[in-house]
Amino acid sequence: KAGVTQTPRYLIKTRGQQVTLSCSPISGHRSVSWYQQTPGQGLQFLFEYFSETQRNKGNFPGRFSGRQFSNSRSEMNVSTLELGDSALYLCASSRSGTGHEQYFGPGTRLTVT
Amino acid sequence: SQQGEEDPQALSIQEGENATMNCSYKTSINNLQWYRQNSGRGLVHLILIRSNEREKHSGRLRVTLDTSKKSSSLLITASRAADTASYFCATDPTLRGFKTIFGAGTRLFVKA
Repeated sequence: KAGVTQTPRYLIKTRGQQVTLSCSPISGHRSVSWYQQTPGQGLQFLFEYFSETQRNKGNFPGRFSGRQFSNSRSEMNVSTLELGDSALYLCASSRSGTGHEQYFGPGTRLTVT
Repeated sequence: SQQGEEDPQALSIQEGENATMNCSYKTSINNLQWYRQNSGRGLVHLILIRSNEREKHSGRLRVTLDTSKKSSSLLITASRAADTASYFCATDPTLRGFKTIFGAGTRLFVKA
């Protein structure tokens, strides 16, 4: 069965712009979580969506938002980009949620200049 | 505050040797998971151990969990060069409002 896919894989944006990242979970998985990974802060939880509802949220500013569609695909949006937003953004899907086995996508590498 | 913290931060061993990584956490958990990440890629789930389990095996992997000490260890036996990766523990806290948190990871380098 197809794995988690993320698009785009690489992105270069300028400070102040906004960006939308997309994640398609494994078929049948209703939970999609997003993580930010940086060398300095490690892997940090952004938010989790389950059946189109945000079920959990990490400690990130309101510039970071997300949504989930009825087919479980999810998007993450970052507005007013800052240099510190440069990171690998990982999406993970699961049947039941973050407390269960998660399947990760390859990530989107975002560079903010 | 960081829920899961691995140590050591980095580990370099010869092929064939065993590698042990440790994870400590701070709050009560439902389960603890170990993941592997190859350079700059997505994470791969290795094993999940529930709070009422003390030890679990999967192939060359052995995981232990000590809830009284709030710690877990991952042992990789007979390591191979392909095991070179970063290893993370992730905890699923029981307390409402807490989220799954990943530790900073242990970078394992296996020399051929």
